[in-house]
Parts: sequence; structure tokens; C-alpha cells
Amino acid sequence: GESVGLHLPTLSVQEGDNSIINCAYSNSASDYFIWYKQESGKGPQFIIDIRSNMDKRQGQRVTVLLNKTVKHLSLQIAATQPGDSAVYFCAESKAGGGADGLTFGKGTHLIIQP
Amino acid sequence: ETGVTQTPRHLVMGMTNKKSLKCEQHLGHNAMYWYKQSAKKPLELMFVYSLEERVENNSVPSRFSPECPNSSHLFLHLHTLQPEDSALYLCASSQGRGGRAYEQFFGPGTRLTVL
Repeated sequence: GESVGLHLPTLSVQEGDNSIINCAYSNSASDYFIWYKQESGKGPQFIIDIRSNMDKRQGQRVTVLLNKTVKHLSLQIAATQPGDSAVYFCAESKAGGGADGLTFGKGTHLIIQP
Repeated sequence: ETGVTQTPRHLVMGMTNKKSLKCEQHLGHNAMYWYKQSAKKPLELMFVYSLEERVENNSVPSRFSPECPNSSHLFLHLHTLQPEDSALYLCASSQGRGGRAYEQFFGPGTRLTVL
């Protein structure tokens, strides 16, 4: 069936380095993509989103890239900090969704080493 | 905090018990959601309510029964659960209009353990 997945379950980076977390999706009808961060004991927290009419969107220290040709989504975090340690999920919603649930990937655990 | 609250935060129940999870959103949204998060599995969408009407039910067993009395409150009624139902249950809310998807805001979740 349709799914959203991530390439790596764990990513370890040095504090201050840039991080790139990747996600592959298979539903070509999806037109809305979103990244969440989840810290231990908390619910997912919105980071950044992007619609299919764009291929790049930037926030504060984060950039999301969307490649619709290969159905690939990535999250770039600049100058990672200890507070960036968390599990990161990508999610998608299909076109014409309105109030649609999101389909989530499995998550990548980002570990920041001092 | 995200403006979405959930109670209780932790719940332990036996298989013959009946309990309810509560979610409340203070964001003025008109769509609410229940998700299940099990260890080592992606978040699974369970139910979607838009304008207080259920619009999606992802083949969830009948031992889970949602209720949405108004746009700010969502309940998940539980009865005769199984140990494999132990998980983190997350509530979310969003805008939901005009055929466009919007970001969902999540509550902290209820950690459910079924004995």
C-alpha cells in the first residue's frame, strides 16, 4: 500500500554541524508534506511544511526540499544544537484532503554529539 | 504548549475495564484526529472528525469508540481492550476547509497500558 518512509532510523551528528534527514514517499497524489519533531514524553511538534507546488521552503535554521520526480523529501537543520535531539517524522496528506489525516513515516532519531 | 490538551496522561487498565480518553483544543480548529503510536511503528491514523462529523475511520476495532460532541472536544471510549492496544494515543487538531490540508497540532498523548 501507500507509505511514507525514512532511510535511516538513527542519525548521529556533531554539535554545530548540519543535519540532513531524508524521507521517501510513494503516493503520487500527495500534495502536502510536513515535518514533525518529537521529544521523549511529548507529542509531535510542527517544524515546517511544504506544498507540492514548491520544491524548497526555509524556516529558522531548517529547510525542506521536495523532489516530486523521485518522490523524495528532506529536512536540513543548520548548525545543530543539543536541543535538536529528537525523533523526526515526515508525513503526507493527499490532494483535496481538507480535514485529512496524515500518513507518517517511521521516524529518524537524531542524536547530537558534543 | 500546543493548545491541545489530553487527559489522563497515563492510564493503566485491565482488559475488562471501560475508560475514556479526553482531548480538548483551544485553537479554534474545526477538525480533530486520533492517532495511535506504538513502539517502532509509524503513527497510525484512527479517526478524523471535521465539523463534528466523523469523516474517516481507518478500520479500527469496535472496542475503540470515538465521540466528538463539539469542535473543541474529542473523546475515545475504550472497552474490552487487548494488551496489544497498549500504546501512546495522540490527539490532534487542524483547520480543515477548502480541500486544503493544514498542519496538525498534537497534544502530549495518553500513555495507555492494558494488562
